[in-house]
Amino acid sequence: EAEVAQSPRYKITEKSQAVAFWCDPISGHATLYWYRQILGQGPELLVQFQDESVVDDSQLPKDRFSAERLKGVDSTLKIQPAELGDSAMYLCASSLVSTSTDTQYFGPGTRLTVL
Amino acid sequence: AQSVTQLGSHVSVSEGALVLLRCNYSSSVPPYLFWYVQYPNQGLQLLLKYTSAATLVKGINGFEAEFKKSETSFHLTKPSAHMSDAAEYFCAVSDPGNDMRFGAGTRLTVKP
Repeated sequence: EAEVAQSPRYKITEKSQAVAFWCDPISGHATLYWYRQILGQGPELLVQFQDESVVDDSQLPKDRFSAERLKGVDSTLKIQPAELGDSAMYLCASSLVSTSTDTQYFGPGTRLTVL
Repeated sequence: AQSVTQLGSHVSVSEGALVLLRCNYSSSVPPYLFWYVQYPNQGLQLLLKYTSAATLVKGINGFEAEFKKSETSFHLTKPSAHMSDAAEYFCAVSDPGNDMRFGAGTRLTVKP
């Protein structure tokens, strides 16, 4: 069964350092999402891609966060510099299309701890 | 904008007992509703979704949910809890033109 892959699974970094997370969606899925999940809360959308284009990054803190999906396949989310409040689980999801009814398939996530 | 409220951050049931996890939504247009399950240190897995067809939706692992427009609810149920059902459950709402919004989650504990 096809799955969304993410790496690393865990990342510990110090404040002001740069971190990067990688996501490989299910093959053929045009839409890719990055979510942030703070402990005890539900996921919140950071950015949504349709192929290589950003369609929604309204909740992405653009002063420190960046995301790219250069060839419309895998994607990288970067934080520079990391702050203590960035400690969270970062989830990647993909869907075949971008309609409201389409199922999003989630990867295992990257748990980030900022010291 | 649409939103979801999950009543009860923690629910504890005995093995074999009924599971009832509550979800109320707010949406200005007919919504699409989802239940996801998350096991520790894992991503979210879809249990079921409502997309304006039958109001009673059956999902995986014996779970089902009923869409009640008059009550703006989409509660998740399972007749008999199993130890393996212990996890975090998230209700989510989506409508055309808006991104998916998740509730804060309900942690289900199953006692032997």
